[in-house]
Amino acid sequence: QVQLKESGPGLVQPSQTLSLTCTVSGFSLTSNSVSWVRQPPGKGLEWMGAIWSGGSTDYNSALKSRLSISRDTSKSQVFLKMNSLQTEDTAIYFCTRLVDYWGQGVMVTVSS
Amino acid sequence: DIQMTQSPPSLSASLGETVSIECRASEDIYSNLAWYQQKSGKSPQLLIYYASSLQDGVPSRFSGSGSGTQYSLKISGMQPEDEGVYYCLQGSKYPWTFGGGTKLELK
Repeated sequence: QVQLKESGPGLVQPSQTLSLTCTVSGFSLTSNSVSWVRQPPGKGLEWMGAIWSGGSTDYNSALKSRLSISRDTSKSQVFLKMNSLQTEDTAIYFCTRLVDYWGQGVMVTVSS
Repeated sequence: DIQMTQSPPSLSASLGETVSIECRASEDIYSNLAWYQQKSGKSPQLLIYYASSLQDGVPSRFSGSGSGTQYSLKISGMQPEDEGVYYCLQGSKYPWTFGGGTKLELK
């Protein structure tokens, strides 16, 4: 069955870089797209960006200068890297199979 | 970027009541709209895609409609398990954007 699972550090220092991995199963990254969505505590959802089945990417305008999404199709993994983290980047980070399936999310706290 | 204005921000409904949630896009999104339900501490669950198509396994009391810039989600007969926060998502133009959410509670 389709599954997505996020992994990464729970705590990141301000100004540092966040690196998250989304490991997928039950579908191929070469024929499906994956997006990243985040949710600050108690707030709404923010679409961050996506890597399409062909390998191209699109990003939220507000995050574009800090965000990079890539993948390793042989390992069924999608990566998120975001630099210059600030406290307002504290959130649950989800990866999704574009529209339908979501991972459980990983909580990331930005704090010194 | 396309702005998604969702209303109302919160809603309280009685058991069996019919509920409607609206999303208005800042430009035509050609029915490229999905609706999600998020329960506390859980990931969002897809209810409706392409404005009116019911996701497999979702109860038939949920329905979606709309076109152009105006869309709605209807719950025909509120149930206790329908409590949660509902979001719309437009997938017509990059970057995709979510509505601000509607918190639905049982009265």
